[in-house]
Amino acid sequence: DTAVSQTPKYLVTQMGNDKSIKCEQNLGHDTMYWYKQDSKKFLKIMFSYNNKELIINETVPNRFSPKSPDKAHLNLHINSLELGDSAVYFCASSQVVDRGEQFFGPGTRLTVL
Amino acid sequence: SQKIEQNSEALNIQEGKTATLTCNYTNYSPAYLQWYRQDPGRGPVFLLLIRENEKEKRKERLKVTFDTTLKQSLFHITASQPADSATYLCALSNNNDMRFGAGTRLTVKP
Repeated sequence: DTAVSQTPKYLVTQMGNDKSIKCEQNLGHDTMYWYKQDSKKFLKIMFSYNNKELIINETVPNRFSPKSPDKAHLNLHINSLELGDSAVYFCASSQVVDRGEQFFGPGTRLTVL
Repeated sequence: SQKIEQNSEALNIQEGKTATLTCNYTNYSPAYLQWYRQDPGRGPVFLLLIRENEKEKRKERLKVTFDTTLKQSLFHITASQPADSATYLCALSNNNDMRFGAGTRLTVKP
C-alpha cells in the first residue's frame, strides 16, 4: 500500500493557468505538508495542516492555496501559474505536529511554459 | 540569517569504506535534527532523528552525531555499498519550523 500518494506525477501547463495537485495519506497521521524543491534541489516547506487547520504558512504567494477536505487529504491549488513556479512539489505527512519523522510522497514535477 | 550547510555537493568513496557527511548550521537552535535519503525522481525517505540532548544515534550501518556547541551533525555510513548511492539531506526543526539542507550526493563505487 502506498503511504503518501500524489497525482499527477507530471504536470505541464501554460502560464496563467490554474492547476491543482492532489495528495492522500493512509497512515492516519494528523499533520500534512507541502514542500517545493527547486532546480538547486533545496527543499522548502510551503504549508502544513494539522487536524484540518493551517498551522504554518511560509512566505509563499497567495496564488498558492492548500485545501484539506479531511485529515487524509491535502490538495494544493495554484492560480495564475508563473514560470518560476516550475519545480517538484512534494506532499508529506507526520504523526505529530512538532515535525517528527515525515513520510514523503513521490513528488509532482510541474513545468510552466 | 539562518543557514544550513552540507559539507559538499558530492562525495565519492570506494565500496567498503565509511562515508562521512557533514551538516553545519548557523543562527538556529534546533530541537532535533533528521537525516533523509533521496533517490532521483523520488521523495525523501526518513533515516534517523536525533534530539538536541542526544549525542549519538545508531541504526544498523548508520550513525549520527549531534554537537550543539559546534552546531554540527555528522552522518556516517559504515561498510558502504553501491546501493547507498543517493542524495542525503539533513533537516533541522524547532517547534513549527523545519529547514532542509541542499543535500550531499554520495556515490559509492564498486
